[in-house]
Amino acid sequence: DGGITQSPKYLFRKEGQNVTLSCEQNLNHDAMYWYRQDPGQGLRLIYYSQIVNDFQKGDIAEGYSVSREKKESFPLTVTSAQKNPTAFYLCASTLDGTYNEQFFGPGTRLTVL
Amino acid sequence: GQNIDQPTEMTATEGAIVQINCTYQTSGFNGLFWYQQHAGEAPTFLSYNVLDGLEEKGRFSSFLSRSKGYSYLLLKELQMKDSASYLCAVRGGTGNQFYFGTGTSLTVIP
Repeated sequence: DGGITQSPKYLFRKEGQNVTLSCEQNLNHDAMYWYRQDPGQGLRLIYYSQIVNDFQKGDIAEGYSVSREKKESFPLTVTSAQKNPTAFYLCASTLDGTYNEQFFGPGTRLTVL
Repeated sequence: GQNIDQPTEMTATEGAIVQINCTYQTSGFNGLFWYQQHAGEAPTFLSYNVLDGLEEKGRFSSFLSRSKGYSYLLLKELQMKDSASYLCAVRGGTGNQFYFGTGTSLTVIP
């Protein structure tokens, strides 16, 4: 059963701690993305990767870091430098090529106390 | 820059038809996508348009006019479960990224 998994669903951390959000896909998709969603706002792109060992910053990359060592995996680290980390984080993937839609994981709701 | 506009909220009656508009200004265009998102859940893909015209998928249809930078999502025979946020997204830009609007929150009332 193909899809995208994100874990955990809910995550609580103390201020000042780094935290890593997991994203795994078994769809054999080339491109993977991380978005942040805040109440009343659309999805804002944090980072994306179109190929293994390569990634690009999105619109709000400050305070975040990623890696893409395997095609299936694209973990996101929320560092202590991110000023307002509490949000809903969504991972997505898509096949290479222009007209393919994105598939989303179930999301991780991060709360920093 | 990229700009995607859609209304913030809409209300419609069960069994009726509703049209959700989306206007966009982007550098490059490789398709317009509509997603449905229920509260606390991930967006799910509804439809996409690459060429001008209407695409129909059951109770959902989507229209695109590239010259006007305009699209709409049409929902027919509304059901209570259609209450959700509807996201308009355009693919384009230098990285062939997806740019999302803020979403339209649709409430279906009996």
